[in-house]
Amino acid sequence: GAVVSQHPSRVICKSGTSVKIECRSLDFQATTMFWYRQFPKQSLMLMATSNEGSKATYEQGVEKDKFLINHASLTLSTLTVTSAHPEDSSFYICSAPVVSGNTIYFGEGSWLTVV
Amino acid sequence: GENVEQHPSTLSVQEGDSAVIKCTYSDSASNYFPWYKQELGKRPQLIIDIRSNVGEKKDQRIAVTLNKTAKHFSLHITETQPEDSAVYFCAASQGAQKLVFGQGTRLTINP
Repeated sequence: GAVVSQHPSRVICKSGTSVKIECRSLDFQATTMFWYRQFPKQSLMLMATSNEGSKATYEQGVEKDKFLINHASLTLSTLTVTSAHPEDSSFYICSAPVVSGNTIYFGEGSWLTVV
Repeated sequence: GENVEQHPSTLSVQEGDSAVIKCTYSDSASNYFPWYKQELGKRPQLIIDIRSNVGEKKDQRIAVTLNKTAKHFSLHITETQPEDSAVYFCAASQGAQKLVFGQGTRLTINP
């Protein structure tokens, strides 16, 4: 079946630095991908919609200058957390819909810890 | 935009009994309603989904019902087993695209 690969699975970074998370569709093309954030014991909250070849669409309250999204190819979307702070520590996870199968696949998720 | 409410937030049942989790949604345009099981620190696992052209779907011990008029859908797990203990999320979307999740239910199966 379709697979979405995400990495790194875990990353620790220092406060003030930036970290990039990759989401890759391995055997299908994804013109759209979605990025979610999940704080401990909470639900998955949609951050933004990543659109291949165009700007991402951000949900209300999500800072687009802090969470940079790039979708430069049909198989890769990246989320860069810029100037990270401890409150950005969270589980970040991407998803990609398969239009032909009318279903969605999730990446493995990335644990970000900002120290 | 879509808003999904999920209840209860925690549910404890005896092994072998049934568990029911309920969700309501706000956007009548939503037509895809998946249920996910999530282990700590892992990606959500799809356990069952239903689309708006049917009212009920069953897969072994798991069933989902959908009431489009009332905008609510429910997950039913029968003959619960300890391995059913997990956090469950409902979600809604237009097509299998941008999912809006409920708040989650922590299900505990007591032996």
